[in-house]
Amino acid sequence: DVKVTQSSRYLVKRTGEKVFLECVQDMDHENMFWYRQDPGLGLRLIYFSYDVKMKEKGDIPEGYSVSREKKERFSLILESASTNQTSMYLCASSSGGGASTDTQYFGPGTRLTVL
Amino acid sequence: QQQVKQSPQSLIVQKGGISIINCAYENTAFDYFPWYQQFPGKGPALLIAIRPDVSEKKEGRFTISFNKSAKQFSLHIMDSQPGDSATYFCAASKRVYKLSFGAGTTVTVRA
Repeated sequence: DVKVTQSSRYLVKRTGEKVFLECVQDMDHENMFWYRQDPGLGLRLIYFSYDVKMKEKGDIPEGYSVSREKKERFSLILESASTNQTSMYLCASSSGGGASTDTQYFGPGTRLTVL
Repeated sequence: QQQVKQSPQSLIVQKGGISIINCAYENTAFDYFPWYQQFPGKGPALLIAIRPDVSEKKEGRFTISFNKSAKQFSLHIMDSQPGDSATYFCAASKRVYKLSFGAGTTVTVRA
């Protein structure tokens, strides 16, 4: 079974703090993704990585950055947290290979609250 | 703007009934249409998916109907059970990295 784990289930931070969200997958997947999930908006892609040290912006990258130093680990960084970044953050991974049918496997999510 | 429009936002169905969720898209380059199921406290998980070269795909009680000319697809849950209560997301992809998700439908099955 593919396992995607996220470092925290709940996180409360203050406005202006630097926030790190960590994600680890155990299936040697090439691709990793960060989404945010908001009611009525579904899942929106923030960033994805298709290889170590490679990344590409998704649909809503503003205010976020990412780091992938090892294949199994993908970090989402909020340089200066703001209240509008309060959300559920989901990490996902997929095996890669270029097929559009590549299944994405999701972690349980991190509920981030910025006060 | 959302590339995949999903409706309804929520629905309630009696046990044994049929749940129907509809999605519409504009981009004809999409070539893969998965549905994800999410239970409270969990991440979404792939439920069923279809390619546009077929009009229907069935897996157990779950069926996707696909209408390429209308650019619409739908999920039917037959004989709905309380364990089907979850949020369902339709999605569309034209390359592996870019899944565009609908807004989600919360399904509640009453016993």
